[in-house]
Amino acid sequence: QKEVEQDPGPLSVPEGAIVSLNCTYSNSAFQYFMWYRQYSRKGPELLMYTYSSGNKEDGRFTAQVDKSSKYISLFIRDSQPSDSATYLCAMTRTGNTPLVFGKGTRLSVIA
Amino acid sequence: DVKVTQSSRYLVKRTGEKVFLECVQDMDHENMFWYRQDPGLGLRLIYFSYDVKMKEKGDIPEGYSVSREKKERFSLILESASTNQTSMYLCASSFLDSQETQYFGPGTRLLVL
Repeated sequence: QKEVEQDPGPLSVPEGAIVSLNCTYSNSAFQYFMWYRQYSRKGPELLMYTYSSGNKEDGRFTAQVDKSSKYISLFIRDSQPSDSATYLCAMTRTGNTPLVFGKGTRLSVIA
Repeated sequence: DVKVTQSSRYLVKRTGEKVFLECVQDMDHENMFWYRQDPGLGLRLIYFSYDVKMKEKGDIPEGYSVSREKKERFSLILESASTNQTSMYLCASSFLDSQETQYFGPGTRLLVL
């Protein structure tokens, strides 16, 4: 079983839709959970970061962590064509251990 | 504004050549990282460094070496490039105890012929 599993997609949605992106993981020691966004031919950029369980909201984006199920989600409300990108989940045990990345989900938002 | 720059966006090299990829950050970060990104395999850590002249192996260090002579600069070296090293190479940096918050450069797309 891989440490972090993420459906690669591609996922195609109409503009304005609610998007749900998910990752599952196997290591119960993970405490930090991140979502990175990567536009085509660019480096990833940190979008959301959550410590331990719970929800975090930032504008149209909501990150959820369910440690009991080892499941994390990123919700995008009122999706826009500019949200079209690959979304990578990442997680780690502590602030000084390397990140473990999911393989990324490619999202296309169609106008 | 945080900035991680990489010396080249695109690079074409021949099998057996020695290849240098350079990364510079201007955020006074202690940690610097080199990843490669391949379709279907995601991001994989090659090496990272937490201080000048210090280095730690990542998941796939074979065929690579690194150099960190100054805090702001981290170089990845392919001693003898091979076709299976054709990939997107990404550099990142973070503060010492904040690996969860990494800042990435734009990437170098390397083609080895």
